[in-house]
Amino acid sequence: EPEVTQTPSHQVTQMGQEVILRCVPISNHLYFYWYRQILGQKVEFLVSFYNNEISEKSEIFDDQFSVERPDGSNFTLKIRSTKLEDSAMYFCASSDLQGGTIYFGEGSWLTVV
Amino acid sequence: LAKTTQPISMDSYEGQEVNITCSHNNIATNDYITWYQQFPSQGPRFIIQGYKTKVTNEVASLFIPADRKSSTLSLPRVSLSDTAVYYCLVDPSEAGGFKTIFGAGTRLFVKA
Repeated sequence: EPEVTQTPSHQVTQMGQEVILRCVPISNHLYFYWYRQILGQKVEFLVSFYNNEISEKSEIFDDQFSVERPDGSNFTLKIRSTKLEDSAMYFCASSDLQGGTIYFGEGSWLTVV
Repeated sequence: LAKTTQPISMDSYEGQEVNITCSHNNIATNDYITWYQQFPSQGPRFIIQGYKTKVTNEVASLFIPADRKSSTLSLPRVSLSDTAVYYCLVDPSEAGGFKTIFGAGTRLFVKA
């Protein structure tokens, strides 16, 4: 079964450093998403991406965050200057239709120290 | 976006049927109802989706009354491995909707 893959599975970074989380969505999907989940809390929407541009973003997705689809397969989330409160599990997801079933990756644990 | 309300937690025993009800009073005509399951430290996983009446797959059944203001996820004969958080989502696919918002979910704990 096709799946969304994410790298790295876990990253520890110092406060203020830049982090790039990578994702390979399912190959025929057109809609891409990033979510995050702080330990013990609910899954929070960050951003959706379609046709090479951001479709929707939440208030969490401020100027420190950016997304990019650098080639035909990868989808990245960059955090420019990490803060302690950015420590969370970050999930990439994709779907083939707007509002269609969203398939999630296994997540990337980010720990900011 | 339609807001969903579901119980914070539920306990059950192995072999029992579990029904989790979700309220979505302001569901829109074009909205679908989708349920996801999440195990600790894993991404949410699609379980089932429906629009009205009843949908069944190999994992669960979804019951949706005629007014669509609620839905019930039914898990037959749960096992310990069904312990997870279950999220009810209303498909925000109305014009321009590209974000799926997760609520707090229902934490199901299955005991031996």
